[in-house]
Amino acid sequence: DGGITQSPKYLFRKEGQNVTLSCEQNLNHDAMYWYRQDPGQGLRLIYYSQIVNDFQKGDIAEGYSVSREKKESFPLTVTSAQKNPTAFYLCASSSGTHYEQYFGPGTRLTVT
Amino acid sequence: SQKIEQNSEALNIQEGKTATLTCNYTNYSPAYLQWYRQDPGRGPVFLLLIRENEKEKRKERLKVTFDTTLKQSLFHITASQPADSATYLCALGPGSSNTGKLIFGQGTTLQVKP
Repeated sequence: DGGITQSPKYLFRKEGQNVTLSCEQNLNHDAMYWYRQDPGQGLRLIYYSQIVNDFQKGDIAEGYSVSREKKESFPLTVTSAQKNPTAFYLCASSSGTHYEQYFGPGTRLTVT
Repeated sequence: SQKIEQNSEALNIQEGKTATLTCNYTNYSPAYLQWYRQDPGRGPVFLLLIRENEKEKRKERLKVTFDTTLKQSLFHITASQPADSATYLCALGPGSSNTGKLIFGQGTTLQVKP
């Protein structure tokens, strides 16, 4: 059963702690993306990766870090430097540029 | 700066009618435009992609138009059903770069009443 998985679905952390969100895909896609969605707003791109061992900053990369050591995996770390980390985080993948993106179910992060 | 706008007000229609959602953009020349459906608390699901050289695209009860002169896309759902109730997002693909980066609108919520 192909698709993208994100875990956990809900995540709670105390302010000042780093937290890593998991994203795994078995679609054999080269490109992967991380978005953040806040209530009533569109998706904003945090980081993206077009190929293994390479990634680029999106529009709101400050306070976040990623790695792409394997084609299937693109974890996102929300660091304590991120001022407003509470949000709904979505991971996506695509078979290449100019193609549709497949999204995971999302992780809702709450930081208090 | 680039701007993409979707009607922020929810669209309420009666079952069986055609729903029409708009997506307007400025300061951008996308190579393509995509439409996604998002249900509450879930990830978006891809619906349709239309390229800059295409005027119209259809898929079952869905139709998308793309007018690069008006800088506008219209998304139609014919014979709408309560199950079509969701938020619909439009996304612009990059014009000149080859990054695959999409710019998303904030979405329009559609409510189809039985």
